[in-house]
Amino acid sequence: GIQVEQSPPDLILQEGANSTLRCNFSDSVNNLQWFHQNPWGQLINLFYIPSGTKQNGRLSATTVATERYSLLYISSSQTTDSGVYFCAVEDDKIIFGKGTRLHILP
Amino acid sequence: EADIYQTPRYLVIGTGKKITLECSQTMGHDKMYWYQQDPGMELHLIHYSYGVNSTEKGDLSSESTVSRIRTEHFPLTLESARPSHTSQYLCASSELGQGKETQYFGPGTRLLVL
Repeated sequence: GIQVEQSPPDLILQEGANSTLRCNFSDSVNNLQWFHQNPWGQLINLFYIPSGTKQNGRLSATTVATERYSLLYISSSQTTDSGVYFCAVEDDKIIFGKGTRLHILP
Repeated sequence: EADIYQTPRYLVIGTGKKITLECSQTMGHDKMYWYQQDPGMELHLIHYSYGVNSTEKGDLSSESTVSRIRTEHFPLTLESARPSHTSQYLCASSELGQGKETQYFGPGTRLLVL
């Protein structure tokens, strides 16, 4: 099956810093999504992005399907950005990566 | 704002009991999913459904069953709970069709089996 690898596994940043999270996948996929899980466990969909670039406020994402990777950019980090960021890809089933744990210090 | 609900939110139960976790969505989505997640870890797909009377197994064998009698309702049943079933269970739904399959998640059920 498809392998999904996220990096870095953990990231600690000062408030106001920028960050880039990466998702590599081992084969062609039908779609790719980025999620944020807050410290209370709620998962929120950030982007549905099988290819191309999208932006939503301080967050943006780029997927280069031909090179099998996606990047999530967070600018001017806030403490509310803390949590776990998951990448999920779908071929015939949905497969989640292990996540990047982001902690923003005030 | 996603309208997907899970009950109960927390459940403590003894080994061997039969339990049903409820999931309902009011968005009219065709696809629904159940995931198991240990705290802070990756999600594992347990079951999914493309619509009424459709159910498929995911990668994680958790000795559970699902049913999809109505579009909005996708309950998960554990016939005999074991301590290894202790985890968080997340329900999600999405539309069906290329470009429409953004997943929306419920708040989760945290299960503790003693």
